[in-house]
Amino acid sequence: DSGVTQTPKHLITATGQRVTLRCSPRSGDLSVYWYQQSLDQGLQFLIQYYNGEERAKGNILERFSAQQFPDLHSELNLSSLELGDSALYFCASSVDPTGYEQFFGPGTRLTVL
Amino acid sequence: AQSVTQLGSHVSVSEGALVLLRCNYSSSVPPYLFWYVQYPNQGLQLLLKYTSAATLVKGINGFEAEFKKSETSFHLTKPSAHMSDAAEYFCAVRGSNSGYALNFGKGTSLLVTP
Repeated sequence: DSGVTQTPKHLITATGQRVTLRCSPRSGDLSVYWYQQSLDQGLQFLIQYYNGEERAKGNILERFSAQQFPDLHSELNLSSLELGDSALYFCASSVDPTGYEQFFGPGTRLTVL
Repeated sequence: AQSVTQLGSHVSVSEGALVLLRCNYSSSVPPYLFWYVQYPNQGLQLLLKYTSAATLVKGINGFEAEFKKSETSFHLTKPSAHMSDAAEYFCAVRGSNSGYALNFGKGTSLLVTP
């Protein structure tokens, strides 16, 4: 158990819908990273937050957005969902913004039908 | 940009045999390198990391990796495979263009046969 929690574990929805994935970092960690794991793209970095502020962006679509709240939990919002958005979404946390050691949550499996 | 390439998407070894999973990196700066393991239906667990302190890095579960600058490699080894080692293994390098996010290889699936 890494100490990073993600909810829900599974999510099934339809094309065009909007979903929100939630992540709680390890106690004391200020930085949160979101990654997407799909069969064709592999593991890709989406976005990073540090202490409530966006720190870095990766291959994140404009339909996707995220935020980190004062209690440091983070939410990833996916809208206008497409079949290709079906993937495992991981959250990782680290104590500082340099990502020296990232601890991963169990992931949320999103299925878009 | 920093990137890694994992050679071999599938590796099969017999129980008790040497495990060797290959990873080569490309980096314009001294790299920070990582190996993660993913068991079925689980998240990624850090096996070990290289941060320029020592070239031979020991990790959890008997795994180790050696950083070889001349070969731009960071191969993962374990002297004797156990059935419980069957999993997906990912090599990663810490980026510098997109904050400090990890850039992952495509993964190597390790199969351990009795």
